[in-house]
Amino acid sequence: GIQVEQSPPDLILQEGANSTLRCNFSDSVNNLQWFHQNPWGQLINLFYIPSGTKQNGRLSATTVATERYSLLYISSSQTTDSGVYFCAVGTQGGSEKLVFGKGTKLTVNP
Amino acid sequence: GAGVSQSPRYKVAKRGQDVALRCDPISGHVSLFWYQQALGQGPEFLTYFQNEAQLDKSGLPSDRFFAERPEGSVSTLKIQRTQQEDSAVYLCASRDTSYTGELFFGEGSRLTVL
Repeated sequence: GIQVEQSPPDLILQEGANSTLRCNFSDSVNNLQWFHQNPWGQLINLFYIPSGTKQNGRLSATTVATERYSLLYISSSQTTDSGVYFCAVGTQGGSEKLVFGKGTKLTVNP
Repeated sequence: GAGVSQSPRYKVAKRGQDVALRCDPISGHVSLFWYQQALGQGPEFLTYFQNEAQLDKSGLPSDRFFAERPEGSVSTLKIQRTQQEDSAVYLCASRDTSYTGELFFGEGSRLTVL
């Protein structure tokens, strides 16, 4: 099955810093989502982005499907950005399930 | 509510007990997924329904796990004879289409087996 690798596994920032999270995947995808898992365990949808670039406030994401990677940019980080960020991808055929990476744990210190 | 709703939020079971976890997807959503998330790991796929049909159950870890969605809306994940390794958060997700599209998750049901 498809492999999803996220980097870095852990990231510690000072408030106000910028960061880039990366997601590499091993096969063609027709679905890619970025999630933020908050301390209560809820998976919050950030972006549905199988290709192209999107922006939402301080967050933006780019997926280059032909090169099999996606990037999540966080600018001017805040302590509330802390948590685990997951990339999940889906491939054509079958149930279109999402396969998750292991996540990037982000800690933003005040 | 407008989101995916799961119950119970927390469940403690003694080893060997049966448990049932419920998922109310977003109204009208065709596709429903169950995932299992162990501590410190990413969610892992268990099973998928399209309306009432279970189209993929390849992720169910053993025959003690059973899922149903008899009327194409609410779904129940049942775990028989629970074991300690079943302790995890069980996440339900739904999507309004049969194929690709944005997936929305519930808050999860945290199962602890003693």
